[in-house]
Amino acid sequence: GDSVTQMEGPVTLSEEACLTINCTYTATGYPSLFWYVQYPGEGLQLLLKATKADDKGSNKGFEATYRKETTSFHLEKGSVQVSDSAVYFCALRENQAGTALIFGKGTTLSVSS
Amino acid sequence: AAGVIQSPRHLIKEKRETATLKCYPIPRHDTVYWYQQGPGQDPQFLISFYEKMQSDKGSIPDRFSAQQFSDYHSELNMSSLELGDSALYFCASSLGSGRAGNTQYFGPGTRLTVL
Repeated sequence: GDSVTQMEGPVTLSEEACLTINCTYTATGYPSLFWYVQYPGEGLQLLLKATKADDKGSNKGFEATYRKETTSFHLEKGSVQVSDSAVYFCALRENQAGTALIFGKGTTLSVSS
Repeated sequence: AAGVIQSPRHLIKEKRETATLKCYPIPRHDTVYWYQQGPGQDPQFLISFYEKMQSDKGSIPDRFSAQQFSDYHSELNMSSLELGDSALYFCASSLGSGRAGNTQYFGPGTRLTVL
């Protein structure tokens, strides 16, 4: 079945450092890919998405490119802030009605000033 | 903009009791999903409804049931609660189907504690 694998954390960075969180997937079809962020004690927020190969999703300085050839969707940010500290989930969804998201295990990011 | 509403936000129950969680999707959204997130875990899909019909089923225990009503809100009914049911329960909604409906917006969650 479909699955998502993302790098294990925690990831600890200093403010203004570069961030990369790796995410790879296996899927039978051509899924859409997502990054969700969960701040402490809160729900899941959609960070960015890409619906087809070579699409680049971006939001709040974060970027990820849908790479079909490497089945990857790595999350990147050039300069992290303390406020970016959260858990980041990579997820995929096959494009059928009502199909659920399949999440990776999540990566905890901690940014210190 | 209106978001997904879940109630209650917190719920404490004893073992073997029942619980009902409610979800009100974003207006005009026709698809609702339920997920369970254990402590330090990724969200696990339970069940979904599209246009009031069950559309997909995940790892939902037989003790749980759910439905989507004519106004598109959904309820997750949980019976014979066990300690292991303690978790954060998320509802998400989306508009449409297939690729057009692929963005799911999550509610704040209901934190269920079973004592």
